[in-house]
Amino acid sequence: GQQLNQSPQSMFIQEGEDVSMNCTSSSIFNTWLWYKQDPGEGPVLLIALYKAGELTSNGRLTAQFGITRKDSFLNISASIPSDVGIYFCAAYGGSGNTGKLIFGQGTTLQVKP
Amino acid sequence: NAGVMQNPRHLVRRRGQEARLRCSPMKGHSHVYWYRQLPEEGLKFMVYLQKENIIDESGMPKERFSAEFPKEGPSILRIQQVVRGDSAAYFCASSPPGLAGDEQFFGPGTRLTVL
Repeated sequence: GQQLNQSPQSMFIQEGEDVSMNCTSSSIFNTWLWYKQDPGEGPVLLIALYKAGELTSNGRLTAQFGITRKDSFLNISASIPSDVGIYFCAAYGGSGNTGKLIFGQGTTLQVKP
Repeated sequence: NAGVMQNPRHLVRRRGQEARLRCSPMKGHSHVYWYRQLPEEGLKFMVYLQKENIIDESGMPKERFSAEFPKEGPSILRIQQVVRGDSAAYFCASSPPGLAGDEQFFGPGTRLTVL
């Protein structure tokens, strides 16, 4: 079935550093979404991408929808301690899709002050 | 994820009991989705519903699990005769009328523990 391969699995960085994570798939999708999940909470939508090649920013976050529609990346610039959490990519709109989101396995980010 | 309400937040059941999880979508949203998350894993789709209709239940186990979204009231995910393997976080998401799946907003989840 359709699946997303997200990497890296975890990152431990110094405050102020930039972070990059990505998701790839063998399937084509029409929409890519990036979520952040804090412990004990539900995922919170960070960025939504709807067009191949699209580059979108939300504050210190920048995400791109790959031109092949099979991948996406998320960058976080100048990380701060509150960036700690699990980041998930999600995609929607592959063949036969009725609305369900496919999620990556998550990237756990830890930031050292 | 403000606006999508789930209750209870935590639910403990013994093997063989029934679990009922409730979800109230954001105001104005007509699409509801249920996902399950095992520890240290991503979310896995279970079912997609609109009012009084199940649109896609391809992620639902064939037995013991059912979902509904009645004309009035919250969406319910029901698990009969729970087993230890059902222990997980269950998340509900909703999206506005129109394109299904677009910008789904998640609730805080219900953490089910089966003893």
